[in-house]
Amino acid sequence: QQQVKQSPQSLIVQKGGISIINCAYENTAFDYFPWYQQFPGKGPALLIAIRPDVSEKKEGRFTISFNKSAKQFSLHIMDSQPGDSATYFCAASHLNDYKLSFGAGTTVTVRA
Amino acid sequence: DTEVTQTPKHLVMGMTNKKSLKCEQHMGHRAMYWYKQKAKKPPELMFVYSYEKLSINESVPSRFSPECPNSSLLNLHLHALQPEDSALYLCASSQGPGQGAGSPLHFGNGTRLTVT
Repeated sequence: QQQVKQSPQSLIVQKGGISIINCAYENTAFDYFPWYQQFPGKGPALLIAIRPDVSEKKEGRFTISFNKSAKQFSLHIMDSQPGDSATYFCAASHLNDYKLSFGAGTTVTVRA
Repeated sequence: DTEVTQTPKHLVMGMTNKKSLKCEQHMGHRAMYWYKQKAKKPPELMFVYSYEKLSINESVPSRFSPECPNSSLLNLHLHALQPEDSALYLCASSQGPGQGAGSPLHFGNGTRLTVT
């Protein structure tokens, strides 16, 4: 049972464009929503995370938007750069739980 | 470079071999994890150690045997694996109980395992 649904599976964006990845969750007990970035041959690395008490969090060119009533959250990559080409995983968990429910992943390709 | 170090980076083993994967972190984290990742898929949780005690076993076959010798080290012993066990094995760590996965998971770069 997939607890976090992620879309799209892949996307291609031109340099300078905006990449948008969407995730939806079912478990209303989830209260921690991180995004991980993974480059080929590397382990995932935490990119940005949000708690449900805020609707938006921005770190540099990366912004998470969170809609608690819709049980959805999204990642926006502004001014996308070729170095942003990677696979992005959304995830969700209860803050005190060791288990992270990952989305299926989105492969982002930024064309120069 | 990642703060979680995994060795070896690549491993090829036969189905009758016994091998071990190693993981080390020096961030003072008290929770350590093994994940398995297949190509183009998200990581799948296998085991969690909290304060050097096995806290979670996600119904992993007994041919995978974890060990946590101390708070900085995590091993995964492999025996009689099958070709379908070929995958990237990731180690991760986080701060201790009370924060669990809510504190950031720090992943190593993994061991690429091929079972022949």
